[in-house]
Amino acid sequence: NAGVTQTPKFQVLKTGQSMTLQCAQDMNHEYMSWYRQDPGMGLRLIHYSVGAGITDQGEVPNGYNVSRSTTEDFPLRLLSAAPSQTSVYFCASSYSRLAGVPTGELFFGEGSRLTVL
Amino acid sequence: AQTVTQSQPEMSVQEAETVTLSCTYDTSESDYYLFWYKQPPSRQMILVIRQEAYKQQNATENRFSVNFQKAAKSFSLKISDSQLGDAAMYFCAYLEGGSEKLVFGKGTKLTVNP
Repeated sequence: NAGVTQTPKFQVLKTGQSMTLQCAQDMNHEYMSWYRQDPGMGLRLIHYSVGAGITDQGEVPNGYNVSRSTTEDFPLRLLSAAPSQTSVYFCASSYSRLAGVPTGELFFGEGSRLTVL
Repeated sequence: AQTVTQSQPEMSVQEAETVTLSCTYDTSESDYYLFWYKQPPSRQMILVIRQEAYKQQNATENRFSVNFQKAAKSFSLKISDSQLGDAAMYFCAYLEGGSEKLVFGKGTKLTVNP
């Protein structure tokens, strides 16, 4: 059972380059999300999705794009990388609701450390 | 927007002792859920405990328990009989009942001394 798989685990970019962080889950979760973790800032929500074809912005969406064409995959795109996007990125998924009650139990990937020079 | 505040950036405890991590939150909603997550050095986030706001009884999971004070908007985590494996970052998180967005605090780094 793979759970939530993120690739790559490490990436170094130059300012202005673009890249995609991949996230895949095999638990048939409706809800998927991307967080970034910075020292002293905790985890901040970038974008999230409650199902295929549905995405919405979180707290810090600027500079990032997402799409959700399948239940399993939720890639995060950096269109023009900036040093401020140097961070550790986490993808997380969960059942949106169980018996009508939000679960809040996110299953996290192992994180992707991105450095933008 | 809802906010979650963890006022203790770092805490330490002796092995086998008890430690309490603090968390306060700001909301005007009555339907919400609160969580504590653990992030060990491996970076893998793990759900420790969950509390529904409509439940008066404090949640407990083995050595982990919470003190949920709804009127004070406080949600502290107590770890009893601390073990070396409890050393980690601990994040308090809030979820509004009608929302899908989990909001995290900035975290408390817990050190367990042998």
